Amino acid sequence: QQQVKQSPQSLIVQKGGISIINCAYENTAFDYFPWYQQFPGKGPALLIAIRPDVSEKKEGRFTISFNKSAKQFSLHIMDSQPGDSATYFCAASSGNTPLVFGKGTRLSVIA
Amino acid sequence: DGGITQSPKYLFRKEGQNVTLSCEQNLNHDAMYWYRQDPGQGLRLIYYSQIVNDFQKGDIAEGYSVSREKKESFPLTVTSAQKNPTAFYLCASRSPRVTANYGYTFGSGTRLTVV
Repeated sequence: QQQVKQSPQSLIVQKGGISIINCAYENTAFDYFPWYQQFPGKGPALLIAIRPDVSEKKEGRFTISFNKSAKQFSLHIMDSQPGDSATYFCAASSGNTPLVFGKGTRLSVIA
Repeated sequence: DGGITQSPKYLFRKEGQNVTLSCEQNLNHDAMYWYRQDPGQGLRLIYYSQIVNDFQKGDIAEGYSVSREKKESFPLTVTSAQKNPTAFYLCASRSPRVTANYGYTFGSGTRLTVV
């Protein structure tokens, strides 16, 4: 049973455009929702995270939107750049339980 | 600099051989994790440890073993019972939940290939 469903699997965006990646979860006990960025051959790095008491969190060009009633959250990358080309993972956890990851989205930003 | 060190970066295993992947952290984190990454599969949890001398199975523990004798170290052994071990293995540690920068820190991974 996949607890976090991520879409799309791959995404191509023009430079300067907006990249949007979506995730849906099933476990209503989840209370922590991070996004990770991974470059080829490297480990994932924490990009931004949100807790369910807020509906949006912004850090620079990266924004998480959270919809508790729909059990969905999304990552928006504004003014996408070629350097943003990477694989992005959403994840979720509750308390001290291990993070459950989505299957990832491969983003390509083309000039 | 604080972080997680995984070694080796590349590892080759012969059929029927056990191999051990190293994971060391100097972040003073209690919790540590091993994930396996396959193309299109995301990260799947193998084992985790919340504290020294204690560890729990994850979703795909069969064919793997771990130990947690020291806070800094969480080695993963891939045994001959793991029939499809070729994958990218990631170790992580977690900061305490009450900290402002709560989250997982990952190592750079070990790519294991069966030859």
